[in-house]
Amino acid sequence: ETGVTQTPRHLVMGMTNKKSLKCEQHLGHNAMYWYKQSAKKPLELMFVYSLEERVENNSVPSRFSPECPNSSHLFLHLHTLQPEDSALYLCASSPRKGLTSTDTQYFGPGTRLTVL
Amino acid sequence: AQKITQTQPGMFVQEKEAVTLDCTYDTSDQSYGLFWYKQPSSGEMIFLIYQGSYDEQNATEGRYSLNFQKARKSANLVISASQLGDSAMYFCAMRSVIIQGAQKLVFGQGTRLTINP
Repeated sequence: ETGVTQTPRHLVMGMTNKKSLKCEQHLGHNAMYWYKQSAKKPLELMFVYSLEERVENNSVPSRFSPECPNSSHLFLHLHTLQPEDSALYLCASSPRKGLTSTDTQYFGPGTRLTVL
Repeated sequence: AQKITQTQPGMFVQEKEAVTLDCTYDTSDQSYGLFWYKQPSSGEMIFLIYQGSYDEQNATEGRYSLNFQKARKSANLVISASQLGDSAMYFCAMRSVIIQGAQKLVFGQGTRLTINP
């Protein structure tokens, strides 16, 4: 399999559940990202990992917990979510490069999350 | 702080016509990068085209071209000979900063493009 894959593609969970989103990239990249896309809002960057080290946490509530065990895998652990957390969660990866790099981020298909 | 503005929530175009999607940006950085992505209903963000702030020529990729006007801080996407498969959301984004080799992207609100047969 190539590119960036995400599982599951759709997830419905109650507010008391615990679930995890998985992202895997097959591009040899070593930076990975989680984004949240809500209706009628721009993509919001949640977390950034570079060489398995978290380098950015954009004031995300603690009910979202990321994990990057290696450069190919990224998880988002979810617990006690709220209905307003319902959104499309996108994972992306990119090579580690400098400021003038033309390289971009490559996105997975996303997980559509519904919190009841 | 960096900001991307896309002022067209929706665009309707006849098949085979050219279409321009607007994007303006705000940054105090001298060096930056601008990207356009396409998001079909399936959800995946597909990279289309890139323009560096120091690039003297407008970027082109097949039917996509970027009309880069640095003084006006605009980076409009032009799609020539539109096709039904071009119907999607289109996002303009700017690379705002590099952190340990990882890049932060700032996205606009997006424009929903509908191609009519």
